[in-house]
Amino acid sequence: KAGVTQTPRYLIKTRGQQVTLSCSPISGHRSVSWYQQTPGQGLQFLFEYFSETQRNKGNFPGRFSGRQFSNSRSEMNVSTLELGDSALYLCASSLLYSPVRDTGELFFGEGSRLTVL
Amino acid sequence: AQSVSQHNHHVILSEAASLELGCNYSYGGTVNLFWYVQYPGQHLQLLLKYFSGDPLVKGIKGFEAEFIKSKFSFNLRKPSVQWSDTAEYFCAPHTDKLIFGTGTRLQVFP
Repeated sequence: KAGVTQTPRYLIKTRGQQVTLSCSPISGHRSVSWYQQTPGQGLQFLFEYFSETQRNKGNFPGRFSGRQFSNSRSEMNVSTLELGDSALYLCASSLLYSPVRDTGELFFGEGSRLTVL
Repeated sequence: AQSVSQHNHHVILSEAASLELGCNYSYGGTVNLFWYVQYPGQHLQLLLKYFSGDPLVKGIKGFEAEFIKSKFSFNLRKPSVQWSDTAEYFCAPHTDKLIFGTGTRLQVFP
């Protein structure tokens, strides 16, 4: 079956602009999580959505937001881009919602690489 | 708040050498533990996981990890590495969310 699909794969923006990234989870998966990956910082948790509701949020400023649609597809938005927002943004899907024990693994997409100039 | 620490940032080994990557987490409650791997140019994928039961878990490609509750540790091991194990390895404890360590870059030379 198809994996997690993220679009666009690469994009370049300038400071002050905003960006929207898209994620299509594996068919049947209802939970989508977003991570920011940078050298030296590893993966930092942004947020998790399940059934169109944000269930958990990391320590990022309000410029970072997201949503999930009824078909489980998710988007994340970053407004007023800063140079430090340059990163690989990863989306991951799973069957279940985080607090459920034995929640199983996350399946990751290849990411959207954002460069802010 | 939960946190995770990976002690080795960059490890360089020759083929057939033994590997142990350290991982410590801080969280007082029930935790599930994962190791993920990212091969060059590929997406993150699950290496192994621990939920309960036998604290020694085996994963793909000959990797194993031992959960030591008293030490809050979940170290990754492999008795004999191969060149194809060159990758970045992430320890990830899971409580109410999955958090990742900063990763360990492993380079294996033939």
